Amino acid sequence: AQSVTQLGSHVSVSEGALVLLRCNYSSSVPPYLFWYVQYPNQGLQLLLKYTTGATLVKGINGFEAEFKKSETSFHLTKPSAHMSDAAEYFCAVSSDNTDKLIFGTGTRLQVFP
Amino acid sequence: DTAVSQTPKYLVTQMGNDKSIKCEQNLGHDTMYWYKQDSKKFLKIMFSYNNKELIINETVPNRFSPKSPDKAHLNLHINSLELGDSAVYFCASRPRGSGANVLTFGAGSRLTVL
Repeated sequence: AQSVTQLGSHVSVSEGALVLLRCNYSSSVPPYLFWYVQYPNQGLQLLLKYTTGATLVKGINGFEAEFKKSETSFHLTKPSAHMSDAAEYFCAVSSDNTDKLIFGTGTRLQVFP
Repeated sequence: DTAVSQTPKYLVTQMGNDKSIKCEQNLGHDTMYWYKQDSKKFLKIMFSYNNKELIINETVPNRFSPKSPDKAHLNLHINSLELGDSAVYFCASRPRGSGANVLTFGAGSRLTVL
């Protein structure tokens, strides 16, 4: 079975500050890992994904995440927050042998001027 | 040119009614999904169809019945609506063989049961 834990349901940062959203996963098989973003009243958009290969993955809007197998983590970071980054962020896990995408409970990012 | 479109966007109805939500994707994808997002933003998979064939049915009450007339459409019919069915329902799709499960989501259909 696979699962995802997102630590912190709310994260607040000042504009220009580092963004760090935490995600830990559990998987008995090599995981595929994803970060999705949901802006208010919209569907989910893919930010970035890890499947195999390079463990540091770059996504859209300046976000990146690093797969750390030893820590079972896939934390999302952005060096400098922008007001437009305010949204709900979801970490998700899947694998090669399943049709399911399992989501975490989400982290709401607030950015203050 | 919306890739995954859902209708209606908002739906308000009384308990006990029957309602449907429609989903269409113009991406040529083979696999389509319904996800439910509750009031706490938790997203849970409900169903998955691959080229009109049911693949995943996640212990959803049988009041919920998905129907896929063709691989571009996946509709969700809900009978005898209950208060707990209030949620945002998201349709999603992905191409066949996309082992990485990169889903394209619709904008959601917010169902409110009074």
